[in-house]
Amino acid sequence: EVQLVESGGGLVKPGGSLRLSCAASGFTFSSYSMNWVRQAPGKGLEWVSSISSSSSYIYYADSVKGRFTISRDNAKNSLYLQMNSLRAEDTAVYYCARDDSLGAKDYWGQGTLVTVSS
Amino acid sequence: DIQMTQSPSTLSASVGDRVTITCRASQSISSWLAWYQQKPGKAPKLLIYKASSLESGVPSRFSGSGSGTEFTLTISSLQPDDFATYYCQQYNSYSRTFGGGTKVEIK
Repeated sequence: EVQLVESGGGLVKPGGSLRLSCAASGFTFSSYSMNWVRQAPGKGLEWVSSISSSSSYIYYADSVKGRFTISRDNAKNSLYLQMNSLRAEDTAVYYCARDDSLGAKDYWGQGTLVTVSS
Repeated sequence: DIQMTQSPSTLSASVGDRVTITCRASQSISSWLAWYQQKPGKAPKLLIYKASSLESGVPSRFSGSGSGTEFTLTISSLQPDDFATYYCQQYNSYSRTFGGGTKVEIK
């Protein structure tokens, strides 16, 4: 059974940093591109970042470029999101999601809440 | 970046109704479009990929159509479990933009 479990969320002050993790199991993690998608309270879904299976291709939404860094450790079946210079507008539930072979997100974690507030 | 526009933003319908949601892309995305269902407090669930392919395990009352810039998600006979918010997402470009969502409410 495919499982994605996020962790690392919490309350952080504006300008602070946080590192999210996503532990994957039930599939060959090193064969799939992965993503971070976020959802601000009461709002819609926003794609944040994607990373290819071997980390060769990495992409970011303009809203986080230069502040967030996506990475993965295929030996540990883990995906990460390093978030720096956090702003109030980064407050959201952050989901990790797997890409199917074509790019649709076929499995999602349960999400981890990041709150940026003083 | 490719913009995705969904309509309507809210839809009131009754059990048994046929429901159609539209998604428009700001430029052609061929058939690289997915539809997701999300219920409150839960992660999104993939319903349709590549515009019209039904994800395994998804009821056949859900269907998708379209290509280029115009896409639709149709629920042929709305069931109680279908009241939720639906999102389209393009994956033609590296920037995987979502539509703003359509909330399907009980009439």
